[in-house]
Amino acid sequence: SQQGEEDPQALSIQEGENATMNCSYKTSINNLQWYRQNSGRGLVHLILIRSNEREKHSGRLRVTLDTSKKSSSLLITASRAADTASYFCATGGRDRGSTLGRLYFGRGTQLTVWP
Amino acid sequence: GAVVSQHPSRVICKSGTSVKIECRSLDFQATTMFWYRQFPKQSLMLMATSNEGSKATYEQGVEKDKFLINHASLTLSTLTVTSAHPEDSSFYICSAVGQGAYSNQPQHFGDGTRLSIL
Repeated sequence: SQQGEEDPQALSIQEGENATMNCSYKTSINNLQWYRQNSGRGLVHLILIRSNEREKHSGRLRVTLDTSKKSSSLLITASRAADTASYFCATGGRDRGSTLGRLYFGRGTQLTVWP
Repeated sequence: GAVVSQHPSRVICKSGTSVKIECRSLDFQATTMFWYRQFPKQSLMLMATSNEGSKATYEQGVEKDKFLINHASLTLSTLTVTSAHPEDSSFYICSAVGQGAYSNQPQHFGDGTRLSIL
């Protein structure tokens, strides 16, 4: 399967703490993306990291990619109650037969940040 | 930028009804749109990939005659659930990718449509 798998499935922390979510995948990729989904809403793109990049930052978000281990992590620093959402990693495949632009989503991590 | 509008946000209708869901890219031209289905607390399941001016590519197990997709312009794709039954009740989400080398582009998502068939 080309699907990413997030770990943990659920994470509960206090405001101000850091939240770390991990993603593992099985095939070669062009890129790996992280998305956020609030309950009952669509997905919001957070960060795209290309296969030749190792780390990327955006505000309080930090994403790492280790292609040798086929894994990525998303770190949210100084979390806020408003960060409560589901977070999905998605991989853009490079295997023959992959539809260009298609993403393979993991099951997501449900993050709850308590005030 | 990169706003995708999905309409309606919620539909409740009787079994046997056909339901049309629209997905529009408001400020960019979308060469490709994707239609997903999501069950509660589950990941997104890709149903089909829609390219402007050509037939949609359906994923294995998705009935083409059940889920009709039309991508008539670079800003609009529609998904019609024909003769909907209770098992079709789900959260349907569309996404769009802009023109160009989109192998390394994010997908821009609509807000989803909650479909409930009674």
